[in-house]
Amino acid sequence: DTGVSQNPRHKITKRGQNVTFRCDPISEHNRLYWYRQTLGQGPEFLTYFQNEAQLEKSRLLSDRFSAERPKGSFSTLEIQRTEQGDSAMYLCASSLLVDTQYFGPGTRLTVL
Amino acid sequence: GQQLNQSPQSMFIQEGEDVSMNCTSSSIFNTWLWYKQDPGEGPVLLIALYKAGELTSNGRLTAQFGITRKDSFLNISASIPSDVGIYFCAGQEQNAGKSTFGDGTTLTVKP
Repeated sequence: DTGVSQNPRHKITKRGQNVTFRCDPISEHNRLYWYRQTLGQGPEFLTYFQNEAQLEKSRLLSDRFSAERPKGSFSTLEIQRTEQGDSAMYLCASSLLVDTQYFGPGTRLTVL
Repeated sequence: GQQLNQSPQSMFIQEGEDVSMNCTSSSIFNTWLWYKQDPGEGPVLLIALYKAGELTSNGRLTAQFGITRKDSFLNISASIPSDVGIYFCAGQEQNAGKSTFGDGTTLTVKP
């Protein structure tokens, strides 16, 4: 399967711990996006990369959040000092430039 | 910022019935997208619309890009139980990276 993959699929952590998620985009796609989704709402944009450059960050991306895409392929999203309000589904998507975005299955984060 | 109003919030229909849902925006979009999401999974693209007035079909699904570029609708004909899920509209501005999503329409199909 050559779709977008995300790991882990589920993560349970205690408040104050750091967590890191990984996204592997569709291989020829040069854009990679991170979204957050809470129950009953649509995905909300967090940030996106074109190749290894991070081109836009949402106000939702507080100082505790950092995303990287060091070689323009896979990306990681790290949340430091997690809070209960960080509990959500974290979705990754990829696209070829401004073309349609294809989503991965998401990582469900639960902060206790 | 951009806001998308998606309606209805939920629908309960009988198998075989047709369904219609729509999205309106306070601003103009250059692309409209419709996704379906099953519980615990990521959104799956159903239809992408790139031009005002465009009408596109994908099997039993038909979507249109409104001529004002501020709205779109999705129709599902002859619904079946596997159509159950949450349907999201999303809009993209010209040359923008991000998509702005509505809050979804939850569809329940009774056999």
